Amino acid sequence: AQSVTQLDSHVSVSEGTPVLLRCNYSSSYSPSLFWYVQHPNKGLQLLLKYTSAATLVKGINGFEAEFKKSETSFHLTKPSAHMSDAAEYFCVVRVGTSGTYKYIFGTGTRLKVLA
Amino acid sequence: EPEVTQTPSHQVTQMGQEVILRCVPISNHLYFYWYRQILGQKVEFLVSFYNNEISEKSEIFDDQFSVERPDGSNFTLKIRSTKLEDSAMYFCACPKREVTDTQYFGPGTRLTVL
Repeated sequence: AQSVTQLDSHVSVSEGTPVLLRCNYSSSYSPSLFWYVQHPNKGLQLLLKYTSAATLVKGINGFEAEFKKSETSFHLTKPSAHMSDAAEYFCVVRVGTSGTYKYIFGTGTRLKVLA
Repeated sequence: EPEVTQTPSHQVTQMGQEVILRCVPISNHLYFYWYRQILGQKVEFLVSFYNNEISEKSEIFDDQFSVERPDGSNFTLKIRSTKLEDSAMYFCACPKREVTDTQYFGPGTRLTVL
């Protein structure tokens, strides 16, 4: 079965330093992968997606992720953290066949940004 | 980003009562999904709905749950007899156009069962 594993439940970084949120996937074929962000008491916002095109994917707010098949990883990065990046981040894999698709979420990584 | 709206934003109910959560997806869309997030836990798939039929449902989606499209535009999730463990954030989502498109999520309805 397809799944994603987020390796860190909490990550703390200082403002202005790089962010790395790790995600590994399990899939028998080339997956569609996503990162969503959830700010406190807010809904889920799409950051970026990988759907078998370029392996380096750029998203909103300066985030990017690289699909590495050899490592079955899809880590999320940002060169310089901002206070507003503090939120919960979910790595997601899409599963299904034509007719219906559903999203399988990772357990989430809570990012804390220190002043 | 395409807009999916949900009402109410917060629903408080007594255990055993029925609740109806509403979603207005991207206009005229035929596909939509419901997900649930219990406080502090990950988001879980509940059900997918296409063209007035359930296409897939999870183990969570038991006989207490139902989905409908009552008026051609709104979609509803009904819980017939709520339990304490139904307290969660409920999100609806739908793809922009085709079923293969990225799913856009509504802001969620926080359900509190007392």
